[in-house]
Amino acid sequence: DAKTTQPTSMDCAEGRAANLPCNHSTISGNEYVYWYRQIHSQGPQYIIHGLKNNETNEMASLIITEDRKSSTLILPHATLRDTAVYYCLSNTGNQFYFGTGTSLTVIP
Amino acid sequence: NAGVMQNPRHLVRRRGQEARLRCSPMKGHSHVYWYRQLPEEGLKFMVYLQKENIIDESGMPKERFSAEFPKEGPSILRIQQVVRGDSAAYFCASSPLLAGRNTGELFFGEGSRLTVL
Repeated sequence: DAKTTQPTSMDCAEGRAANLPCNHSTISGNEYVYWYRQIHSQGPQYIIHGLKNNETNEMASLIITEDRKSSTLILPHATLRDTAVYYCLSNTGNQFYFGTGTSLTVIP
Repeated sequence: NAGVMQNPRHLVRRRGQEARLRCSPMKGHSHVYWYRQLPEEGLKFMVYLQKENIIDESGMPKERFSAEFPKEGPSILRIQQVVRGDSAAYFCASSPLLAGRNTGELFFGEGSRLTVL
């Protein structure tokens, strides 16, 4: 079962930063945290992942707390096309549990 | 480099028939995952395969469902004697190995949507 919990839904104004939180207080020390998103009914899209340090790529930034019990995905300038369900997950062995994610709506 | 290819994109079957869903991973990827997504729900892990081996099938229903990833050709998810509850989107993902470790970066196909009448 999923080891992560996320809010069910969030809104964000277009052009603003979207900050999506995730709690993962039970993941072990060597488990990475991954973020994916699913736009409408398309296949999920990988965004970013990290272990301990903060990470940044062309899509987003990932801030992981020092105790690794939570993290935040940051979309610096949200656009309407960022409206999607965002999944925070970790892997246990070979399985990647997606949970129900956060439905982000970017508002014009 | 083509992405993960799934076919058919849409499949309609009557109760009791068989459904075969195919997945061609990205070039160079040796790991394949299958996930099922029921309407308005998240993705549920089904099975994880490497070439010619099933690594983890703990998410597969015990009956009627099977998966394979042969040495040559695509991975196939097979559902026998389909029932209405099998109606869902089935997503395949592939992943590369890096230094012997699954990187965890999954590349998903666009899914196969099964409708059972």
